[in-house]
Amino acid sequence: DTGVSQNPRHKITKRGQNVTFRCDPISEHNRLYWYRQTLGQGPEFLTYFQNEAQLEKSRLLSDRFSAERPKGSFSTLEIQRTEQGDSAMYLCASSLWSGENTEAFFGQGTRLTVV
Amino acid sequence: QKEVEQNSGPLSVPEGAIASLNCTYSDRGSQSFFWYRQYSGKSPELIMFIYSNGDKEDGRFTAQLNKASQYVSLLIRDSQPSDSATYLCAAPTSTKFYFGSGTKLNVKP
Repeated sequence: DTGVSQNPRHKITKRGQNVTFRCDPISEHNRLYWYRQTLGQGPEFLTYFQNEAQLEKSRLLSDRFSAERPKGSFSTLEIQRTEQGDSAMYLCASSLWSGENTEAFFGQGTRLTVV
Repeated sequence: QKEVEQNSGPLSVPEGAIASLNCTYSDRGSQSFFWYRQYSGKSPELIMFIYSNGDKEDGRFTAQLNKASQYVSLLIRDSQPSDSATYLCAAPTSTKFYFGSGTKLNVKP
């Protein structure tokens, strides 16, 4: 068990460019979450997958954001036409869901800077 | 919509003291809470969770839940400089966690 892995760890991009982040969850975990965290704030929910199905998306997830989890394994989060306000830490978490008391394990995050 | 509120701090305590971190929540239906620790630039890591009224102890950490007052706290005994971090309170639902903004703790040697 190598934990949740996210790549890249850091990304600097110019405004208007597209970026894609990858998350590899803990093996066998059926749930995968994406959160966004800005300085001084707690993580904010973006979306989650149960296996390969994307079951909920936050209003924070504008139409410029898209997430996939093909085959229920790794997931990608793409941001199109990036804006400076997209600068944040993007966190991925996974869990082996068994109820509300199920712990979610976080990856190290991808820090996005839009210049 | 769940609201989870935390004082952003920083909370400064001397080494060896008890640090008390507090969290209030708006949804009376919330049944359980998680405490995560986050070092600067790192990802959150679970310290403990609590789902029953009263206290739950794990080593130097004690979580306290008072559902009537909608209040959950984390006590850290014998605080160490390595405890200096941001502590996040989180309320889970069937689909997500709602996080507070976190309280930054500084433990001074």
